[in-house]
Amino acid sequence: SQKIEQNSEALNIQEGKTATLTCNYTNYSPAYLQWYRQDPGRGPVFLLLIRENEKEKRKERLKVTFDTTLKQSLFHITASQPADSATYLCARGGYNKLIFGAGTRLAVHP
Amino acid sequence: NAGVTQTPKFQVLKTGQSMTLQCAQDMNHEYMSWYRQDPGMGLRLIHYSVGAGITDQGEVPNGYNVSRSTTEDFPLRLLSAAPSQTSVYFCASSYATGHGYTFGSGTRLTVV
Repeated sequence: SQKIEQNSEALNIQEGKTATLTCNYTNYSPAYLQWYRQDPGRGPVFLLLIRENEKEKRKERLKVTFDTTLKQSLFHITASQPADSATYLCARGGYNKLIFGAGTRLAVHP
Repeated sequence: NAGVTQTPKFQVLKTGQSMTLQCAQDMNHEYMSWYRQDPGMGLRLIHYSVGAGITDQGEVPNGYNVSRSTTEDFPLRLLSAAPSQTSVYFCASSYATGHGYTFGSGTRLTVV
């Protein structure tokens, strides 16, 4: 089966630093990967999508990479702020469906 | 523009009861999906649809039925509720494959 693995341990960083979250997938490369943000008690919110043939995608302070050799995507938040504290979900897409990882909780401390 | 609307927000069921979780979107999205979210397990795909009249099973379909008679609505039916179905359920929709999904605010279901 096609799995998505994210670090289950929370990531704690200092305000202003760059947060880097990791997403690893198994088996064949997905057509695309998506990243979502989820706050407690709320539904996930779409952030970025990166396709298999793209190495990197940026949106404001966010950057996503897709490495088909390592079977990995990295999600970076530069100049992190306490308001960036949330759970971040990675999902693999293809064959008309989206499969999610368990998510990584990010805590940005002032 | 309401986005994805889920009802009810909270529900308590007794074991063996049946119920339908409602999901409606007003964005004319073809793709719709149902997920359940349990602590430490992330979102797991229950059923999904790529258009009216077309549905397919996801990762954890047992105990659930869906239908898609219109583009707007995608209800999820629990046939005979079990405590293992206690979870938060999210409905999501997307314009097409390769696009981001819009999620509803969720239904918190408790089966006692």
